Amino acid sequence: AQSVTQPDIHITVSEGASLELRCNYSYGATPYLFWYVQSPGQGLQLLLKYFSGDTLVQGIKGFEAEFKRSQSSFNLRKPSVHWSDAAEYFCAVGSIQGAQKLVFGQGTRLTINP
Amino acid sequence: GAGVSQTPSNKVTEKGKYVELRCDPISGHTALYWYRQSLGQGPEFLIYFQGTGAADDSGLPNDRFFAVRPEGSVSTLKIQRTERGDSAVYLCASSRQGVYNEQFFGPGTRLTVL
Repeated sequence: AQSVTQPDIHITVSEGASLELRCNYSYGATPYLFWYVQSPGQGLQLLLKYFSGDTLVQGIKGFEAEFKRSQSSFNLRKPSVHWSDAAEYFCAVGSIQGAQKLVFGQGTRLTINP
Repeated sequence: GAGVSQTPSNKVTEKGKYVELRCDPISGHTALYWYRQSLGQGPEFLIYFQGTGAADDSGLPNDRFFAVRPEGSVSTLKIQRTERGDSAVYLCASSRQGVYNEQFFGPGTRLTVL
């Protein structure tokens, strides 16, 4: 069965600083990987996804993520954060077998210092 | 266009009562998903519909939980004999048919069982 670990429950960065949110997955085959963002009072929004091909994927709002099979990781990065990036970030994994359900990590809460 | 809508936004009930949570997916989306998000956790898959049929209900925790989608559009999640442990935010998502098309999430229904 798939599983996702987000080691950091809460991260604080200063506005304008770079950001990296960690995600490790467990899955026996090639995973489908996703990053979602959840702002207070908002629904989950897809930032980016990886299915195959180029291991560096670009997403919305200036985010990118890199798939590293050898490390079972799919870390999310942004070169310069904005105050509006404060939110909860979730990594998720899916499989081609069976239904298209997503297995989510427990999330990382991002706080931005002015 | 309109996104996924969920009603009610908040539901408070007493232990042992029956509740229904409604999801209106994006028009034209044939796939519909229910997830449950407990406090401080990521969403947890409950059930997935493709059209009118439940393609995967492996996430339903027990037989008190049931979901329907009779006409392939609106879906209702039904919880019988509610327990305090059922308190959570129930999220609905919809997507176009196909392999891992983006799941668009609704704002959720916050269920509180007293």
